[in-house]
Amino acid sequence: EPEVTQTPSHQVTQMGQEVILRCVPISNHLYFYWYRQILGQKVEFLVSFYNNEISEKSEIFDDQFSVERPDGSNFTLKIRSTKLEDSAMYFCASSEGGVGNTEAFFGQGTRLTVV
Amino acid sequence: GENVEQHPSTLSVQEGDSAVIKCTYSDSASNYFPWYKQELGKGPQLIIDIRSNVGEKKDQRIAVTLNKTAKHFSLHITETQPEDSAVYFCAAGSGYSTLTFGKGTMLLVSP
Repeated sequence: EPEVTQTPSHQVTQMGQEVILRCVPISNHLYFYWYRQILGQKVEFLVSFYNNEISEKSEIFDDQFSVERPDGSNFTLKIRSTKLEDSAMYFCASSEGGVGNTEAFFGQGTRLTVV
Repeated sequence: GENVEQHPSTLSVQEGDSAVIKCTYSDSASNYFPWYKQELGKGPQLIIDIRSNVGEKKDQRIAVTLNKTAKHFSLHITETQPEDSAVYFCAAGSGYSTLTFGKGTMLLVSP
């Protein structure tokens, strides 16, 4: 069964450092997303990406965040200068069509710990 | 924007009992309502979804009902088993928009 894969599974970084979280969406999917989940809280939308550009982003997705699809398979989330409050589980998701029309598949997540 | 409220936050049942989790949403434009199951250390996994052109959908022991007029939808799990223990999230979305999640319900099924 096709799946969304994320690396690394756990990333520890010092405050102020840059991190890049990587995702390989399902190959025939066209829509890509990043969500985050602070420990014990709900899953929150960060950004959606379609046709090589951001289609929607939340208030959380400020200037320190960026996304990129550097090649035909990877989808990355970069946090330029990490803060303690960025510590969370980050989930990548992909869907064949928009979420109102097709299922969104989630990866296993990357646990980011900022110290 | 959309706001999704989910209740209860925790639910404990005995094996074999039924479990019901309820969600309300605020945006009348939402027309897609998935339910996700999240096991410890894993990503959310879709278990069932419903679109606004139907009022109920069933898949074996799991069913979802939708009341668009009242803007609420519910997840029903019958004959619960210990392996059903997990955190369940409801969500709402529309067309090409993103999903807005509820806060989650921790379901514990005791043998």
